[in-house]
Amino acid sequence: EAAVTQSPRNKVTVTGGNVTLSCRQTNSHNYMYWYRQDTGHGLRLIHYSYGAGNLQIGDVPDGYKATRTTQEDFFLLLELASPSQTSLYFCASSDAWGGSSYEQYFGPGTRLTVL
Amino acid sequence: QEKVQQSPESLIVPEGAMVSLNCSFSDSASQSIWWYQQHPGKGPKALISIFSNGNKKEGRLTVYLNRASLHVSLHIKDSQPSDSAVYLCAVNTGANTGKLTFGHGTILRVHP
Repeated sequence: EAAVTQSPRNKVTVTGGNVTLSCRQTNSHNYMYWYRQDTGHGLRLIHYSYGAGNLQIGDVPDGYKATRTTQEDFFLLLELASPSQTSLYFCASSDAWGGSSYEQYFGPGTRLTVL
Repeated sequence: QEKVQQSPESLIVPEGAMVSLNCSFSDSASQSIWWYQQHPGKGPKALISIFSNGNKKEGRLTVYLNRASLHVSLHIKDSQPSDSAVYLCAVNTGANTGKLTFGHGTILRVHP
């Protein structure tokens, strides 16, 4: 089964702080995604990538940067964190080709609190 | 932008009941529709997907898709307490990107 890991699992920072969330997948998937999950809004796509060095804008990108350094690693950067970015963040990966095309495999999540 | 609406918001059923969850979407050109299950403190996990009009059965799960009415439903037969979770409907909107738009979810509780 596809494996996606995230670190840290919990993070507390202050307004204006810098935060980097990390995600690694070990299944050679082409696509990786960053979501945030909030009560009343569900899961919303922040950024995604289809390979090392590639970045695509999602539906709620404001205040976030992302970087895909290798096929396995995808990072989400909050350079000036704000309380509105307090949320549960999920990373996911998928292989857009093949028998199970587009099934996304999710990591366990990172809970971020911005004070 | 694709809109995905789910109903009901929450549902409580006794063990062994048939569960029916609904999802409507806005874009008739949508690709696959997925159902995900999310237990507390965990990431979502894919359950079943459908692309063509009609139904698809996998174990206790059956999904029905009607593209004309932009509606998909998930039915869980013989529900178990372990089925208690949030169920998310997701629509694949980006050709060759795997991009998904999610609904807000239905909270299901199956009591023994």
